[in-house]
Amino acid sequence: QQPVQSPQAVILREGEDAVINCSSSKALYSVHWYRQKHGEAPVFLMILLKGGEQKGHEKISASFNEKKQQSSLYLTASQLSYSGTYFCGTEMGGGSNYKLTFGKGTLLTVNP
Amino acid sequence: SAVISQKPSRDICQRGTSLTIQCQVDSQVTMMFWYRQQPGQSLTLIATANQGSEATYESGFVIDKFPISRPNLTFSTLTVSNLSPEDSSIYLCSVRENEKLFFGSGTQLSVL
Repeated sequence: QQPVQSPQAVILREGEDAVINCSSSKALYSVHWYRQKHGEAPVFLMILLKGGEQKGHEKISASFNEKKQQSSLYLTASQLSYSGTYFCGTEMGGGSNYKLTFGKGTLLTVNP
Repeated sequence: SAVISQKPSRDICQRGTSLTIQCQVDSQVTMMFWYRQQPGQSLTLIATANQGSEATYESGFVIDKFPISRPNLTFSTLTVSNLSPEDSSIYLCSVRENEKLFFGSGTQLSVL
């Protein structure tokens, strides 16, 4: 079951903030966030495990609401290097049934 | 983090032929995955390749079209058989390490 990401695209000026959402119709074991720049492979940003935790990585953080089966990625004081397509990946099984299903992506453009 | 070498990086093939993509990892990993990403689209899981067992294919993907080998814990190949223009896409191998996915740089396949 593919997670639903929103918005599909967002354009920011350097220094502005953005929120990207990811929701699932099924119970989740974990949510992953990846960023892919044009012509490159996706790069891991963070993982949030079942338990409603929030994680941060410099000015990028994320939350996971297990009850609502939703995750949000927060980008604060955006930099030009943040431009790219952000994918959430959801895992339902955990353990040996590991399988990551990706959303359609959110294209983030940061302009000077 | 795992370092993944994938080759070829790109190829142009004739309709009806096959292409074999190689994926080499610098450490032993249990789970390897093959994804397809069509231009501007999300990542779609083709199959999970575990060493010592048959690959597990996702709905819409069959072994005759996408045979996979996994001879050891550091290497896998994906063959795309009987190529048609609809197979034109980017193919990515990925490995799971500490709950995270790491991706190879991808193989861009164009079928004429």
